[in-house]
Amino acid sequence: EAQVTQNPRYLITVTGKKLTVTCSQNMNHEYMSWYRQDPGLGLRQIYYSMNVEVTDKGDVPEGYKVSRKEKRNFPLILESPSPNQTSLYFCASSAGTGVSYEQYFGPGTRLTVT
Amino acid sequence: GQQLNQSPQSMFIQEGEDVSMNCTSSSIFNTWLWYKQDPGEGPVLLIALYKAGELTSNGRLTAQFGITRKDSFLNISASIPSDVGIYFCAGQPTRSGGYQKVTFGIGTKLQVIP
Repeated sequence: EAQVTQNPRYLITVTGKKLTVTCSQNMNHEYMSWYRQDPGLGLRQIYYSMNVEVTDKGDVPEGYKVSRKEKRNFPLILESPSPNQTSLYFCASSAGTGVSYEQYFGPGTRLTVT
Repeated sequence: GQQLNQSPQSMFIQEGEDVSMNCTSSSIFNTWLWYKQDPGEGPVLLIALYKAGELTSNGRLTAQFGITRKDSFLNISASIPSDVGIYFCAGQPTRSGGYQKVTFGIGTKLQVIP
C-alpha cells in the first residue's frame, strides 16, 4: 500500500531535549516536505527536499533541521525544542515538482513541549 | 510569501444541503488543489486542477479553476455526515523558473448536522 508513515504519532517532551520525528514514504517520490498545523494558521511549510541531499527552507524553518540521506526518509529534527513548537506536524511527499504537486500526507505527529 | 484567502473559515450545514467554498489568491496560480482532512488524520487530495476554466468532479465534489487563475471553488452536493472535516485549498504559482512551492489556505471547517 502506497503510504507516508510518521513516528511517533504523539510525543510529549520538555524544553531543550533534542528529538527527531521520522518520516518515510514507499512511493519512490522525489519531493518531500514538512508542515506544521496550528489553529487559525492552516498548514505552514517548515522545510522541503527536492531529492537526496537537496533541502531548502520553507516558510517557518527556525528551530528545525532536516536531512535527506535516502530517498525514502526525511526526518525532522528539533535540536532544542521550545513550547512554541507545540503543534501538529505533517510529512508529505509527491512524485516531482515539474509535473505533479499532488502531495500525499502522513498521519501526523502531535508534539507537546512543556 | 504567497497569500491564499479561503472562505468561509467554518460552516454548519444540514445533512442533504449543498456546500460551496472558495479560495482566492493575490497572484496568478498554475495549479489548484483541494484537500480534505478528517479529524485526527492527514490531508487527503480530493481534486487537482491544472488549467484555467477547468471543471472537475469527484463523486459529489466539483471543483473549478477560475478563469482569472486567481481563484478556485469547491462544491459538495447533498452533504452527508462523513463530509465533516477541514477542507484546504492549495495552489502553486505560475512557474517562472525553478521550483515553485505549494501554498495552502487556512482551511474551511465543515460540520454537518444530521
